[in-house]
Amino acid sequence: KNQVEQSPQSLIILEGKNCTLQCNYTVSPFSNLRWYKQDTGRGPVSLTIMTFSENTKSNGRYTATLDADTKQSSLHITASQLSDSASYICVVSGGMDTGRRALTFGSGTRLQVQP
Amino acid sequence: EAQVTQNPRYLITVTGKKLTVTCSQNMNHEYMSWYRQDPGLGLRQIYYSMNVEVTDKGDVPEGYKVSRKEKRNFPLILESPSPNQTSLYFCASSKSPRGRDGYTFGSGTRLTVV
Repeated sequence: KNQVEQSPQSLIILEGKNCTLQCNYTVSPFSNLRWYKQDTGRGPVSLTIMTFSENTKSNGRYTATLDADTKQSSLHITASQLSDSASYICVVSGGMDTGRRALTFGSGTRLQVQP
Repeated sequence: EAQVTQNPRYLITVTGKKLTVTCSQNMNHEYMSWYRQDPGLGLRQIYYSMNVEVTDKGDVPEGYKVSRKEKRNFPLILESPSPNQTSLYFCASSKSPRGRDGYTFGSGTRLTVV
């Protein structure tokens, strides 16, 4: 069964600090992995996409890594800002089906940045 | 601006009263999908559509219907809503199911069934 597990479930950090969110997946075959940011009550917005051959990708203060061998990804946020407070969702594309379950969603990490 | 538009944003209704949540995209995407999001469960797929007149069940289709008569629209229909359908709903579209170019999500519809 395809699964995506994220940790921690929630995280509180002080403004200016760094943090790392984790994502482990069992989706096979693997196509790509995206990190989405979801502000409260809003739709998810894509931050980065990782394909099988990519190890690291940055988008401003966000850096995603992928280890396809261990099936793990991380999202590192540098110099956090209050606006980083949101849920971060790891979404893995792949599996045998091209319609249903083309995406497997993690349940997200809720990040709260405090002043 | 490329976007997925959902309406309404908020809806409170009573058990059994039919309702429709509309979804429209302006990116000429073939693939569209509906999700519900509940605390601690993440996003779960309700129905998806590969193209016009092609729809299929996702993981939690019970109590929902959809239609895809035009490429841009993908309404979600609750024929007889029940309290367990109280949730946050998202419509999304992409060029392909695997979302190589990413999924665009609507802003969500918060539905409360009393």
